[in-house]
Amino acid sequence: EVQLVESGGGLVQPGGSLRLSCSASGFTFSDFAMYWVRQAPGKGLQCVSAISNNGISAYYVDSVKGRFTISRDNSKNTLYLQMSSLRPEDTAVYHCVRGAAAGYGSGSYGDYWGQGTLVTVSS
Amino acid sequence: EIALTQSPGTLSLSPGERATLSCRASQSVRNTYLAWYQQKPGQAPRLLIYGASSRATGISDRFSGSGSGTDFTLTISRLEPEDFAVYYCQQYGNSPWTFGQGTKVEIK
Repeated sequence: EVQLVESGGGLVQPGGSLRLSCSASGFTFSDFAMYWVRQAPGKGLQCVSAISNNGISAYYVDSVKGRFTISRDNSKNTLYLQMSSLRPEDTAVYHCVRGAAAGYGSGSYGDYWGQGTLVTVSS
Repeated sequence: EIALTQSPGTLSLSPGERATLSCRASQSVRNTYLAWYQQKPGQAPRLLIYGASSRATGISDRFSGSGSGTDFTLTISRLEPEDFAVYYCQQYGNSPWTFGQGTKVEIK
């Protein structure tokens, strides 16, 4: 059974930092691209970042470029999102998502989602 | 970036009725790379449909998807109590992924 379990969320002040983790099990982690998708309270879904299966290529939405860094450790079956210079508008539940392919480009949808971890940016 | 517009925003129906949800793209979705997800309160989204019309593993045949180009439809043939939820469409033909704003299917 595919499982994705996020951790690391919490309350942080504007300008602060957090590192999210996603522990994966039930599949060969190194075969699949991975994504972080966030959902602000009562709002829709936004793809924040993606990383290829081998960790070489990454994507960031414009609003987080230069502030967030996605990475993965295939030996530990873990995905990360390092977030810095956090803003109130980054407040959201952050879901870890498995892509249906090795790359994150065209043709790769999200076939398994974690429950998410809540990040609250507030003073 | 491709924008997706879902309609209606809310659909009020009774169990046993048919639900028809629409998703319109601002430009043609490459290769019909369009997916549908179901989300219940406090839960993660669940993949229902990919490639516009292919059901994901374990998804009931009450769910069907259709469409191409810029217009796509999710149909739930006979609503069961567990089907009342929010539904999102997503395009994955162009990077980045984009999602519609969601359609809430509520009990009438």
